Amino acid sequence: KAGVTQTPRYLIKTRGQQVTLSCSPISGHRSVSWYQQTPGQGLQFLFEYFSETQRNKGNFPGRFSGRQFSNSRSEMNVSTLELGDSALYLCASSSGRPSGETQYFGPGTRLLVL
Amino acid sequence: DQQVKQNSPSLSVQEGRISILNCDYTNSMFDYFLWYKKYPAEGPTFLISISSIKDKNEDGRFTVFLNKSAKHLSLHIVPSQPGDSAVYFCAASARTGANSKLTFGKGITLSVRP
Repeated sequence: KAGVTQTPRYLIKTRGQQVTLSCSPISGHRSVSWYQQTPGQGLQFLFEYFSETQRNKGNFPGRFSGRQFSNSRSEMNVSTLELGDSALYLCASSSGRPSGETQYFGPGTRLLVL
Repeated sequence: DQQVKQNSPSLSVQEGRISILNCDYTNSMFDYFLWYKKYPAEGPTFLISISSIKDKNEDGRFTVFLNKSAKHLSLHIVPSQPGDSAVYFCAASARTGANSKLTFGKGITLSVRP
């Protein structure tokens, strides 16, 4: 089985712009979660999508949003970029069974905001 | 409030010896624990997990121990190999309802000396 894929791998944007990141989960997985990794805060949960619906949400401002398509692929959007949004954005997939389970991560998208 | 703590930022061990990585948690609702290994510029790779109904889980060179009363878990790597050098993250989730959110510790950098 192919693993979780994320595109693009690297991105440079300027303050005020918006960005869209894409994630394709492992085949058969219906849950996609997004995480932000920064040196200061570590890995922090952004949100989770399951069957095209946001099921869980972390403590991030509304500038961070996402969606999931019927094929389980997910996109994350950040509007009005700030310097502090520079981070590694990771997506993880799992089957999404209600009891929760192991999440498998993609390689991440490295975003640099100038 | 940091609910998952990895208090030692780094650990250095000799090749062939045992590596013991520790993790503490404060949220008594956590009932599923995972260890991930991460290389720079890559996504976390799942290593091993343990449910709160167990106190030990073993997979090859990796063993995770859970002490629920102390809210403490540890990852043992025996024997340690230079390729094990990476950042190790402890993560936890509360498998209530549809909650798939993982809460991560800050990570421990393991260096295995040849």
